[in-house]
Amino acid sequence: GEDVEQSLFLSVREGDSSVINCTYTDSSSTYLYWYKQEPGAGLQLLTYIFSNMDMKQDQRLTVLLNKKDKHLSLRIADTQTGDSAIYFCAESMETSYDKVIFGPGTSLSVIP
Amino acid sequence: NAGVMQNPRHLVRRRGQEARLRCSPMKGHSHVYWYRQLPEEGLKFMVYLQKENIIDESGMPKERFSAEFPKEGPSILRIQQVVRGDSAAYFCASSPPMGTANYGYTFGSGTRLTVV
Repeated sequence: GEDVEQSLFLSVREGDSSVINCTYTDSSSTYLYWYKQEPGAGLQLLTYIFSNMDMKQDQRLTVLLNKKDKHLSLRIADTQTGDSAIYFCAESMETSYDKVIFGPGTSLSVIP
Repeated sequence: NAGVMQNPRHLVRRRGQEARLRCSPMKGHSHVYWYRQLPEEGLKFMVYLQKENIIDESGMPKERFSAEFPKEGPSILRIQQVVRGDSAAYFCASSPPMGTANYGYTFGSGTRLTVV
C-alpha cells in the first residue's frame, strides 16, 4: 500500500542539528524525496535519494536511507531560524509513471 | 524561465458556486499533477494529466471535481457547487516527460480556496 508517515512537530535550538524521520511502506519505491514548505508558499525540492543508496550529503543536509526498515531521515546541521518550515517526506512509486506520495509533513520550529 | 504558475493565489467562493483553478506548467514540462492540502494535513494526490489526457484520477472525488489539460492553455481544476469542506490549498506540480521525475516535481505557489 501507499503510506508515508512522519512525526508532526519538531523543535530545536538554533545551532543544533535537526533530525526529521520518515517511514514508508512500499518496498518498490524508486526515489525518496525531502521537500520544504515555507508559510504561504509551495513546496521546494530539497534533495532526493535513489532507493539503492544509503546516504546522500548536500552541504548542511544529510539524508540516510535504511531500506530494510523502510526508514528515511533528514539531518540539518547547524539549524538556523530560516530553516523553520514544514518538511515533507515523499516516495516515488514504481508504477507506470512516477507518482509521488507525500507524508503529512513535519513542522520544524527553530528557537533562537 | 518562469516556474509553475498558478492563479489565482486566493479564491473566495460562496457555497454552491463554481471554482476554477489554473496551472501553467514549467516550460518544457508536459506532465501536470494536482494535489490538495487541507489545513494541518499533508498533500493528497488528486490527478495526473498529460496534454489532452487524464492518466490517473484516483485521488479525485467522484462528484463535482474535474480536471483537464488542453492542447493549448493551462491545466484547469474545476470544482462545481463548492462546499465548506472544499476549502484548502490546491497545488499544481509539473515534471518533464516520464522517466525523469526522479528529479522531483516543480510546484506552484498554490491556490488557497476559501468557501464561505
